[in-house]
Amino acid sequence: DVKVTQSSRYLVKRTGEKVFLECVQDMDHENMFWYRQDPGLGLRLIYFSYDVKMKEKGDIPEGYSVSREKKERFSLILESASTNQTSMYLCASYGGGRETQYFGPGTRLLVL
Amino acid sequence: GENVEQHPSTLSVQEGDSAVIKCTYSDSASNYFPWYKQELGKGPQLIIDIRSNVGEKKDQRIAVTLNKTAKHFSLHITETQPEDSAVYFCAATFPGQAGTALIFGKGTTLSVSS
Repeated sequence: DVKVTQSSRYLVKRTGEKVFLECVQDMDHENMFWYRQDPGLGLRLIYFSYDVKMKEKGDIPEGYSVSREKKERFSLILESASTNQTSMYLCASYGGGRETQYFGPGTRLLVL
Repeated sequence: GENVEQHPSTLSVQEGDSAVIKCTYSDSASNYFPWYKQELGKGPQLIIDIRSNVGEKKDQRIAVTLNKTAKHFSLHITETQPEDSAVYFCAATFPGQAGTALIFGKGTTLSVSS
């Protein structure tokens, strides 16, 4: 079974703090994604990575950066958290010749 | 830009009834269409998918139909049960230069009452 894990289920941060969200997958997938989910807006792609050290902007990259130093790990970084970044963050991965994306359980971030 | 429209946003049915959720997509190059179910407090889970060379796929009480000409696809759930209550998302591939991303619909909240 594919397993995608996220470092935290819930996080509370202050405005201006630097925030790291970590995602790890155990299936040697080449492709990894970060989405944010907001009520009524569905899932919106922030960044994705198709290989180690490679990254591509998604639909809403502003205010975020990412890091992929190892194949199994994809980190989302909020350089200076703001209240409008309060959201559910979902990590996903796929690979091995298949297109099915597997999601982690999500991190619910509250920025005060 | 690329877009996936999903309707309805909420759907309430009685246990045993059928439920249908419809999606349309804008990119004619899209060739993979998954459906995800998200239960409260969990990440989305794939429930069924279909590729563009197939018009229909069925898995027990769940079926998906695809009309490539009209660029729409639908999820059909028969004999609904309370445990089917969840948020359902459709998605379509968006082939890009650096890989393939999914574009998701905004979701349908399905409520099945007993």
